[in-house]
Amino acid sequence: DAKTTQPNSMESNEEEPVHLPCNHSTISGTDYIHWYRQLPSQGPEYVIHGLTSNVNNRMASLAIAEDRKSSTLILHRATLRDAAVYYCILAGAQKLVFGQGTRLTINP
Amino acid sequence: DGGITQSPKYLFRKEGQNVTLSCEQNLNHDAMYWYRQDPGQGLRLIYYSQIVNDFQKGDIAEGYSVSREKKESFPLTVTSAQKNPTAFYLCASSLTSGTARTDTQYFGPGTRLTVL
Repeated sequence: DAKTTQPNSMESNEEEPVHLPCNHSTISGTDYIHWYRQLPSQGPEYVIHGLTSNVNNRMASLAIAEDRKSSTLILHRATLRDAAVYYCILAGAQKLVFGQGTRLTINP
Repeated sequence: DGGITQSPKYLFRKEGQNVTLSCEQNLNHDAMYWYRQDPGQGLRLIYYSQIVNDFQKGDIAEGYSVSREKKESFPLTVTSAQKNPTAFYLCASSLTSGTARTDTQYFGPGTRLTVL
């Protein structure tokens, strides 16, 4: 399974944009890039996914490098409720493979 | 409200006992999954089922068993053969059985199992 590399932790301030990086140099041509986040003691929730083009939804934006070897999840204006562990996942044919994710701390 | 329910939220068992964790969904999803999460770690796939009466082993299936007799239900049994069963267990479902590439997985609230 193709793997992703994310920083263990990041910190940002409330109401500022947050850019969460993810490296996936072994991505295959058919792998989609998914992002999920997990609040403490809860199940993960879907954030966004994409293949090649940048994607936007009400929660976040996903910027995908032209060579697809890296991507960035962008939270445009962080709130305290965005504090969570964010997982960048390469979705293969039948399963998601979760790494350790990035723990995002938001300072008030 | 549609969603995934897992019960109970906390479960305590003595070492050597089998225990079954419940997972029910009313989203009419074909695929269901069980994951295990240890403290500070990501999720690891135990079993998944793409359709009723069919399931496949994930990455860490040893010591676990599942059944999928109904579309809505995917119970997980943690057997006494599982050497370190204390963990947070998460159930998920997705709409289609075809591919995980574009499907969104919806997760339940989890069951925290502690084996004493």
